[in-house]
Amino acid sequence: QVQLQESGPGLVQPSQTLSLTCSVSGVSVRSGNFYWNWIRQPAGKGLEWIGRIYTSGSTYYNPSLMSRVTISMDTSKSQFSLLLASVTAADTAVYYCARDYGDYVYFDLWGRGTLVTVSS
Amino acid sequence: IVMTQSPVTLSVSPGEGAALSCRASQSISSNLAWYQQKPGQAPRLLIYGASTRAPGIPARFSGSGSGTEFTLTISSLQSEDFAVYYCQQYNNWPLTFGGGTKVEI
Repeated sequence: QVQLQESGPGLVQPSQTLSLTCSVSGVSVRSGNFYWNWIRQPAGKGLEWIGRIYTSGSTYYNPSLMSRVTISMDTSKSQFSLLLASVTAADTAVYYCARDYGDYVYFDLWGRGTLVTVSS
Repeated sequence: IVMTQSPVTLSVSPGEGAALSCRASQSISSNLAWYQQKPGQAPRLLIYGASTRAPGIPARFSGSGSGTEFTLTISSLQSEDFAVYYCQQYNNWPLTFGGGTKVEI
C-alpha cells in the first residue's frame, strides 16, 4: 500500500525557513512513473500548488513562490523535502505532499497533511 | 489560469442530485480534475480528464465538459458525499485550483 507522510516543525518564526519532509512508502521515489509535489491550504481556504520534483532531480515551481522555494529528493531514504524561505504569517497553512503521474498532472495520492504556523 | 467554481455553497437533501460548476478563464481542453475534501482530511481524487472516474469512485459521480465549462454531477447524494469539492486544471503552468463548492445538508 502506497503511503505519503509529511513531517516537520509545526511552528516557524517569521523570516525563518520552513522545512518539511515527505516520506514515501510502498513505492520507490526512484520510479520513473511519478512526480512528487507539495501543495498547501490556508485554514478555511483553497488549495495552492507549490511545486514538484522528478526522480532525476528536475524541479518546477509555482512562479508566485519560486524565489523562496526549494524542493529536493533523497532517494536513499525515499523522501522528498520542501524548504520555504523568509516565511510570513501568510505562509501559515496545512502542507500536503502528493503524487502525480507526470504527463497529466492531477494528484491521485496525498499525504494527510501537516499544519505549519508562522508566528513569533 | 483562474478557475471559478459556483455556487460557493450548495444545500441539498440526501437522495437529491447536485450539479457543481467550474469555469476556466481560458480553454483547458479536457485537462481538468475534481477532488472531494472532508473536514480534517486530504483531498481525494474523483475525476480526471474531465470525465474519467478515478479507481474506486462510485458511479453516482460523473464529470462533463471541455474547453472552459465543466460540471461535476452527483446523481443521488449519500451522507458521505457532503463535503467540499475542488476543480483543478492541468493544461497550463502553474497548476491552479478553483475556490471550492461546499455541499451541505
